[in-house]
Amino acid sequence: ETGVTQSPTHLIKTRGQQVTLRCSSQSGHNTVSWYQQALGQGPQFIFQYYREEENGRGNFPPRFSGLQFPNYSSELNVNALELDDSALYLCASSGIGMTAYTDTQYFGPGTRLTVL
Amino acid sequence: KQEVTQIPAALSVPEGENLVLNCSFTDSAIYNLQWFRQDPGKGLTSLLLIQSSQREQTSGRLNASLDKSSGRSTLYIAASQPGDSATYLCAVVANAGKSTFGDGTTLTVKP
Repeated sequence: ETGVTQSPTHLIKTRGQQVTLRCSSQSGHNTVSWYQQALGQGPQFIFQYYREEENGRGNFPPRFSGLQFPNYSSELNVNALELDDSALYLCASSGIGMTAYTDTQYFGPGTRLTVL
Repeated sequence: KQEVTQIPAALSVPEGENLVLNCSFTDSAIYNLQWFRQDPGKGLTSLLLIQSSQREQTSGRLNASLDKSSGRSTLYIAASQPGDSATYLCAVVANAGKSTFGDGTTLTVKP
């Protein structure tokens, strides 16, 4: 069974640029959630995708957008990068059923984004 | 708005000691509560998941309890080891799968 993977591991961008982060969910999981974690804080929920549809969103502006593909992998896109977007971005996959969002979440290792 | 608080923020104990980590949340309308550990710069590792209808879950030296009515959960670690040193995070899942995390308790177990 393959775990959750994320790419790239590290990324450096400049303010105003755009970035795409990728996540491959654990085999058989149909739900992916994205989180932003600033240093010393807990992860903040960005949004969740269930079977290719957005299933919930946290308090993040529209320049944070996402996609989930038919194989349940996912992308997080951030436009017009700001310095405060520097953080560890985590994705988590869960579930195989209708209540997948209530199941155990399995996290990837994260992508460290630095915005200069 | 759901808020999750973890106390203490940091804890240092000698090896072999039993310890309790605390997590409190403000809105009891949750689906479940999950405990994670995070090593520096790494992703999160799931430890225990407690559904809203359950009172506790156990895995090895770990035991987590949930009192939904009072908005509290505890993670009990028995016979702590240096390898248990990490940041422990709790998260509650509410409507539409939205997870709310606390800021964690950083545990150091001294040999």
